[in-house]
Amino acid sequence: EAGVVQSPRYKIIEKKQPVAFWCNPISGHNTLYWYRQNLGQGPELLIRYENEEAVDDSQLPKDRFSAERLKGVDSTLKIQPAELGDSAVYLCASSLGTGTDNEQFFGPGTRLTVL
Amino acid sequence: GEDVEQSLFLSVREGDSSVINCTYTDSSSTYLYWYKQEPGAGLQLLTYIFSNMDMKQDQRLTVLLNKKDKHLSLRIADTQTGDSAIYFCAESNNAGNMLTFGGGTRLMVKP
Repeated sequence: EAGVVQSPRYKIIEKKQPVAFWCNPISGHNTLYWYRQNLGQGPELLIRYENEEAVDDSQLPKDRFSAERLKGVDSTLKIQPAELGDSAVYLCASSLGTGTDNEQFFGPGTRLTVL
Repeated sequence: GEDVEQSLFLSVREGDSSVINCTYTDSSSTYLYWYKQEPGAGLQLLTYIFSNMDMKQDQRLTVLLNKKDKHLSLRIADTQTGDSAIYFCAESNNAGNMLTFGGGTRLMVKP
């Protein structure tokens, strides 16, 4: 069974440019998460989807960040315009849903460098 | 808000036991997790413990929870070079939907 797939794996852009990340969760997983992991730190949740609905986006900087999961499967995270401080690894995770068996499976991440 | 703290670095010799410690502040934490992250990879769940337990053992891994002190530890017996990675402690109070991670402990295993 394929795990969580993310692309691109690496992205280098200049500040003020837009950038988008794509995530394909594990088949059948209703819940999808986007995390940001700064260098030397643990991941921090940006947004959580239940199917196509964003149920927790309180940590998403809405002035420049946006996300969508139109058909409740794949998701994209966009930054426009990017700032130097956005350099980080952006991790996508998915889980079956709520309940006691709700292990989150993580993708390998997209490493963003903003110059 | 919730806070999860870990020491930054641990170095052990191959074959020794490793103990990675974590403290957290949220007294309503229900689930506590240990994740492993290898270079260039995502996080892999190693084990988790419910807050009503004080110990869980899974092969070479032993998790100890002191709920009174809000202290969690992960012991790896017979540590191998393949165990070298960053280990993250995380807590959740609602069945794993909202994870708060610590900063990670880098474990280095010397041959």
